[in-house]
Amino acid sequence: AQSVTQLGSHVSVSEGALVLLRCNYSSSVPPYLFWYVQYPNQGLQLLLKYTSAATLVKGINGFEAEFKKSETSFHLTKPSAHMSDAAEYFCAVSGGSSNTGKLIFGQGTTLQVKP
Amino acid sequence: DAGVIQSPRHEVTEMGQEVTLRCKPISGHNSLFWYRQTMMRGLELLIYFNNNVPIDDSGMPEDRFSAKMPNASFSTLKIQPSEPRDSAVYFCASSLLWSEQFFGPGTRLTVL
Repeated sequence: AQSVTQLGSHVSVSEGALVLLRCNYSSSVPPYLFWYVQYPNQGLQLLLKYTSAATLVKGINGFEAEFKKSETSFHLTKPSAHMSDAAEYFCAVSGGSSNTGKLIFGQGTTLQVKP
Repeated sequence: DAGVIQSPRHEVTEMGQEVTLRCKPISGHNSLFWYRQTMMRGLELLIYFNNNVPIDDSGMPEDRFSAKMPNASFSTLKIQPSEPRDSAVYFCASSLLWSEQFFGPGTRLTVL
């Protein structure tokens, strides 16, 4: 079974500051991990994914995430926040190639970027 | 590729009426998912299909909800009768095997 915990339902940063959104997972099989972003009144869009290759994954819009098996974490970072990064972010886990593709989503983290 | 297509984008109906939401997945994808999103409950998986077969419908809230996938390019989610607490944004997503899911723009349902 898989589960995801996103620490902090709201994160606020200043424009230009580091963005760090935390995600911890549990999985009984080697996981696949995903970060999605949702802008207001839109569907979820994939930011990046980890599928057992390189542990540091680069995504769109300057975001990246590092898979740390020992910490069961997959935190999302961006060196310098832009106003356009304000959105809701979801971490998700699946059972990789051992399941049918069902994703387990975290509760989401709303990122606020202050000018 | 047009991505996942959902219709209608907005639906306003009265309590007791039947509501049908439609989804066209990305061509070639073999898995389809229906989600519901509300402020109170967040993003909930309702049901998903693999190769047009329902695999897990444990998230369907009650018998008023039903979903079908008659072929690889079309799925419906029906609510009959609808209730105000069904008001939410309903998303359809599709994927190829265990790869990432691609989401549609959603249908915003309001039940008065």
